[in-house]
Amino acid sequence: QQQVKQSPQSLIVQKGGIPIINCAYENTAFDYFPWYQQFPGKGPALLIAIRPDVSEKKEGRFTISFNKSAKQFSLHIMDSQPGDSATYFCAARPFSGGYNKLIFGAGTRLAVHP
Amino acid sequence: EPEVTQTPSHQVTQMGQEVILRCVPISNHLYFYWYRQILGQKVEFLVSFYNNEISEKSEIFDDQFSVERPDGSNFTLKIRSTKLEDSAMYFCASTTGGGYTFGSGTRLTVV
Repeated sequence: QQQVKQSPQSLIVQKGGIPIINCAYENTAFDYFPWYQQFPGKGPALLIAIRPDVSEKKEGRFTISFNKSAKQFSLHIMDSQPGDSATYFCAARPFSGGYNKLIFGAGTRLAVHP
Repeated sequence: EPEVTQTPSHQVTQMGQEVILRCVPISNHLYFYWYRQILGQKVEFLVSFYNNEISEKSEIFDDQFSVERPDGSNFTLKIRSTKLEDSAMYFCASTTGGGYTFGSGTRLTVV
């Protein structure tokens, strides 16, 4: 079954901390793994994405680590700021040769305290 | 930066009524999607659309739902006879090979 399991459900860190959000999948035929940030009342906004042939990708303060053998990937937010307080969703796209749907994790509500 | 535009931002409707949610995807995108998000829950796939036809739909997307691209720029989701459980945020998304861009959503409230 195509599922993406995300943890933790919620996370509280102090400003400057490094929150880590984890996702795991079961189906090996995924070819694209994005992370989305969502603020209340807004749509998900693409933060960073990785493909399975890469083990790590950094964009600014955001880093994805990808472990293909363990079927796990995680988001690290360096030097977190109160403005990073949002809900974060991991997602995965089943491989099909086209631009298939995204399957989302359940989301992690992050609060960064000043 | 190009955006996916959705209207209305909020719609309240009576149970049993038809609603049409509208989206203008990014102009050079070829693949279009509708997702929904019940309050506090995850984003769920409804339907994907490519080359003027549905390419995939979820079990949520039953006969009460339909999609259309009537004029080459708009992409609509119609719910024929709304139920209380259709209350959710509905997001349109589009892509053409890069990231998937989501709109800000329509909050549908069925009373």
